Amino acid sequence: KNQVEQSPQSLIILEGKNCTLQCNYTVSPFSNLRWYKQDTGRGPVSLTIMTFSENTKSNGRYTATLDADTKQSSLHITASQLSDSASYICVVSSDGGSQGNLIFGKGTKLSVKP
Amino acid sequence: ETGVTQTPRHLVMGMTNKKSLKCEQHLGHNAMYWYKQSAKKPLELMFVYNFKEQTENNSVPSRFSPECPNSSHLFLHLHTLQPEDSALYLCASSQDKGLAFYNEQFFGPGTRLTVL
Repeated sequence: KNQVEQSPQSLIILEGKNCTLQCNYTVSPFSNLRWYKQDTGRGPVSLTIMTFSENTKSNGRYTATLDADTKQSSLHITASQLSDSASYICVVSSDGGSQGNLIFGKGTKLSVKP
Repeated sequence: ETGVTQTPRHLVMGMTNKKSLKCEQHLGHNAMYWYKQSAKKPLELMFVYNFKEQTENNSVPSRFSPECPNSSHLFLHLHTLQPEDSALYLCASSQDKGLAFYNEQFFGPGTRLTVL
């Protein structure tokens, strides 16, 4: 069964600190993996997309890694800001030809405190 | 307006009511999607439309009825809902349904639905 598991479920950190969110997946065949940020009361917004051959991709203070062998991905946030408080959702596409075959994780809720 | 808009943002309805959710995308995309987001559960894909044709219906109960009159507009008609249908309903669009790598989905802000 295709699944995406995220950990931790929630996380509280102090402003300025770094954190890492984890995503493990059992999805086959694998096409790509996206990390989305969802602010409270808003729709998800894509942060990064990674294919099988990519190991690391950065978007400002966000750095995503992918290990296709172990089927693990992480999202590292550097020098956190209050605006980073949101849910972060890992999404794996299982079919290279179909946008509809997306498997969503439950998300990690991050709270950044002053 | 830019991006994907949804109205209303909040909706409270009784189980016998009939209401509709509206989604409009201003991105020139050809595919549109309805998702249900419940607390502590992953997003659930409900319907997919590609060039106005419904291509996926993920075993959604018939009390949810989608309508896509053109590539820019998507509706979700609701009738005789149950309290467990209370959730955030998200609309998304993408260039088209294929080529998963290139077709990033852009989401609207959602409609928070409460069924009493």
